[in-house]
Amino acid sequence: AQTVTQSQPEMSVQEAETVTLSCTYDTSESDYYLFWYKQPPSRQMILVIRQEAYKQQNATENRFSVNFQKAAKSFSLKISDSQLGDAAMYFCASPNNAGNMLTFGGGTRLMVKP
Amino acid sequence: DVKVTQSSRYLVKRTGEKVFLECVQDMDHENMFWYRQDPGLGLRLIYFSYDVKMKEKGDIPEGYSVSREKKERFSLILESASTNQTSMYLCASSLMPVSYEQYFGPGTRLTVT
Repeated sequence: AQTVTQSQPEMSVQEAETVTLSCTYDTSESDYYLFWYKQPPSRQMILVIRQEAYKQQNATENRFSVNFQKAAKSFSLKISDSQLGDAAMYFCASPNNAGNMLTFGGGTRLMVKP
Repeated sequence: DVKVTQSSRYLVKRTGEKVFLECVQDMDHENMFWYRQDPGLGLRLIYFSYDVKMKEKGDIPEGYSVSREKKERFSLILESASTNQTSMYLCASSLMPVSYEQYFGPGTRLTVT
């Protein structure tokens, strides 16, 4: 079965510091997208960043960037200059082997200390 | 802006009741999904639909059924609710194929007593 693993159930970071959330996956697809989603407390899940597996360059969206290691099937999320509003659950997701649905990791709860 | 709405934010039902959770999206998306979210387990796919009247089982379909009579509406049905179905239920929609972003609803927290 497809698995996506987030090994850190909880992380904390000081405001303005940098934090990295880990994710590994095991799809057998050769061309695929990977996703990080954010779920703030009592609010809707939103997309943070998306990486296309065939692209060598790591995706970046403002303070959010990824470290994509295709051979290692690793897809970590780096948040720079952390802000209080970054406190949330973060989920990574990758396609299943049939390529018709996403499998989500168990989530990492990020706390930001003022 | 894409909007995905769910019929209830909070729902309390008794064991054995039939429960309907409704989801509506306003962006003409082909794909719609129902997930269950439990602490430590992330999101697990119950069912998804890629077209009207079409459905596919996800990872945990047991005890659930779905209905998609119109493109914008996707319903999750618990035929006979049980306490182990107490959970947060999230609906999502997306364009084809799965590489596109999924847009999520606010979730329904269902408690079965």
